[in-house]
Amino acid sequence: EVQLVESGGGLVQPGGSLRLSCAASGFTFSNYWMSWVRQAPGKGLECVAGINQDGSQKYYVDPVKGRFTISRDNAKNSLYLQMNSLSAEDTAVYYCARDPTFGRFDFWGQGTLVSVSS
Amino acid sequence: DIVMTQTPLSLSVTPGQPASISCKSSQSLLHSDGKTYLYWYLQKPGQSPQLLIYEVSSRFSGVPDRFSGSGSGTDFTLKISRVEAEDVGVYYCMQGIHLRTFGQGTKVEIK
Repeated sequence: EVQLVESGGGLVQPGGSLRLSCAASGFTFSNYWMSWVRQAPGKGLECVAGINQDGSQKYYVDPVKGRFTISRDNAKNSLYLQMNSLSAEDTAVYYCARDPTFGRFDFWGQGTLVSVSS
Repeated sequence: DIVMTQTPLSLSVTPGQPASISCKSSQSLLHSDGKTYLYWYLQKPGQSPQLLIYEVSSRFSGVPDRFSGSGSGTDFTLKISRVEAEDVGVYYCMQGIHLRTFGQGTKVEIK
């Protein structure tokens, strides 16, 4: 059974940093693109970053470029999102999602909440 | 960047009646490989999003056949032939040809 379990969310002050993790199981993690999708309270979905199978290709949405870094450790079946210089606009539930081809997010985690507030 | 525009933004449907959601992209979603990377997701209340339709018209595993997708190029439609109570939630279209962009979402409720 495919499982994606996010962790690392919490309350952080503006300007602070946080590192999210996504533990994958039930499939060969190293064979798939992976992505992070966020949802601000009461808002829609936004795909903020993606990474290819070996970590050599990455993409970011404009609002997070230069502040967020996506990475993965295939030996640990884990996906990460390092978030720096956080602002209130980054407050959201962050989901990791498996991406077999061009945005086909076929499995999602349960999400982890990031709250940026003083 | 590709902009995805959904209409309507909300829909109230009587059980057993059909429903339709439109999604328009600012650029063609037809890839050079011949596939069109347009998806439909449903986020039920309190849950993570789930994949319904991939590549315009293919139903994902376990998705009931009352859900169907159609369209090409920049214009796409999700249809529910007979809405059931379990179909409530927010429906999103998403493009995957250049980065990943979601539409604003369409909230479907039962009358």
